[in-house]
Amino acid sequence: EPEVTQTPSHQVTQMGQEVILRCVPISNHLYFYWYRQILGQKVEFLVSFYNNEISEKSEIFDDQFSVERPDGSNFTLKIRSTKLEDSAMYFCASRYSSGGLTDTQYFGPGTRLTVL
Amino acid sequence: KQEVTQIPAALSVPEGENLVLNCSFTDSAIYNLQWFRQDPGKGLTSLLLIQSSQREQTSGRLNASLDKSSGRSTLYIAASQPGDSATYLCAVGDNTDKLIFGTGTRLQVFP
Repeated sequence: EPEVTQTPSHQVTQMGQEVILRCVPISNHLYFYWYRQILGQKVEFLVSFYNNEISEKSEIFDDQFSVERPDGSNFTLKIRSTKLEDSAMYFCASRYSSGGLTDTQYFGPGTRLTVL
Repeated sequence: KQEVTQIPAALSVPEGENLVLNCSFTDSAIYNLQWFRQDPGKGLTSLLLIQSSQREQTSGRLNASLDKSSGRSTLYIAASQPGDSATYLCAVGDNTDKLIFGTGTRLQVFP
């Protein structure tokens, strides 16, 4: 069964460094998402992406964050200058579109980002 | 602003019990509601998706119901097993194509 994959599974970085988190969505899916979960807290929406554009972003997704689909298979989240509070599990998700907003979002296993 | 709440926060039951997990949301203008399972330190596994026009969905021992007007969903797990131990999350989908998650119910099923 197709699944969303994410690399790396764990990333440790120093405060102020740039990180790129990578995701390979399910191949025929058209909508892509990033969420994050700070330890012990709710899963929070960051950004949605469709047709090579950001569709929606949360207030968390400030100028330090960017997303890109550099080729036909990868979807990346870049954090330009990491802060301690960026430490979290980052989840990528994707969905097919049968019309409307009614399809299941499928999540990857997550990348645990630790900022020291 | 949509708020999603899940009760109880934690539940410990003996194997074989039928149990109900609750999810409530404040804005009934939702497109769908998904139930997920999350194992410690792992990703989210989608269990069931209920469209806003549906009342319930079933998959194996799982049954999820949706009452949009009262802002509630329940996940019913029949004949619970130790392998069901995990955190169960509900999430509502709104018209901006994002999921808004609850805080989860941590379930432990002991033999």
